Amino acid sequence: SQQGEEDPQALSIQEGENATMNCSYKTSINNLQWYRQNSGRGLVHLILIRSNEREKHSGRLRVTLDTSKKSSSLLITASRAADTASYFCATDARSNTGKLIFGQGTTLQVKP
Amino acid sequence: DADVTQTPRNRITKTGKRIMLECSQTKGHDRMYWYRQDPGLGLRLIYYSFDVKDINKGEISDGYSVSRQAQAKFSLSLESAIPNQTALYFCATRGTDSNQPQHFGDGTRLSIL
Repeated sequence: SQQGEEDPQALSIQEGENATMNCSYKTSINNLQWYRQNSGRGLVHLILIRSNEREKHSGRLRVTLDTSKKSSSLLITASRAADTASYFCATDARSNTGKLIFGQGTTLQVKP
Repeated sequence: DADVTQTPRNRITKTGKRIMLECSQTKGHDRMYWYRQDPGLGLRLIYYSFDVKDINKGEISDGYSVSRQAQAKFSLSLESAIPNQTALYFCATRGTDSNQPQHFGDGTRLSIL
C-alpha cells in the first residue's frame, strides 16, 4: 500500500509562478526524499531531508518537514517550462532496509 | 555512461512467456532494488538485495523472481507473464549510508499482450 499521499494530484501554473506540492505519510521515518520524473523516464533525486531537519534548500527548491504532522512540502520558486514533470515524495522508514514508500505523485505543468 | 543501466528499454511479449529484465550499475553500491510503476501511480517495491545472493521480498513480489549473482547486477524475471504485469519497471541502487538517495535507471517499458 502507498504510504504517501500527495496533494494536489495535478497542478498547472504560469512560468515565473511558484509551485507547492504537499506530501503526507503514516509511519515514523528516517528521512523523506523528493524525486522528479520526466514523462516515462527514470526518477531523478532532488532533495533528501532527514527526520531531525525541518527545512532544506537546493537552488530554487525548498523542502519542509513536519514530523509531528507527518507531512512535507516541496516549493519550486520562479518556475520554468522545463520544470514540467511529475514529482514524487518517498519515505524511508526507520528500518535501515532502504525501502522507499512512494506517494502517487503530483503532475506539474508549467505554461510558458 | 549511465550509472544504472536497464535492458531492454522496451519489450512487448505474449502472455505465458518468460521475461528477464537486467540491471547493471557502476556505482559500487551494495543495495539494489526493483520497482514497478503503473500509470498515474507511484513506484511499488518488488524485491531488494543488500549483497550478492541476498534476496528480500518487497510489497508486490508475487509473480516475480530475482537473481543477484554479482554486486553490479540484479535481474528481475517474470516466469509466466500475464497482462496485468504490463508496467514500467525501474531498478535502483543505494549505498550503505541510510541517508543517501537511491539512483534510478531509465526504466524498462514492458507490455504483455
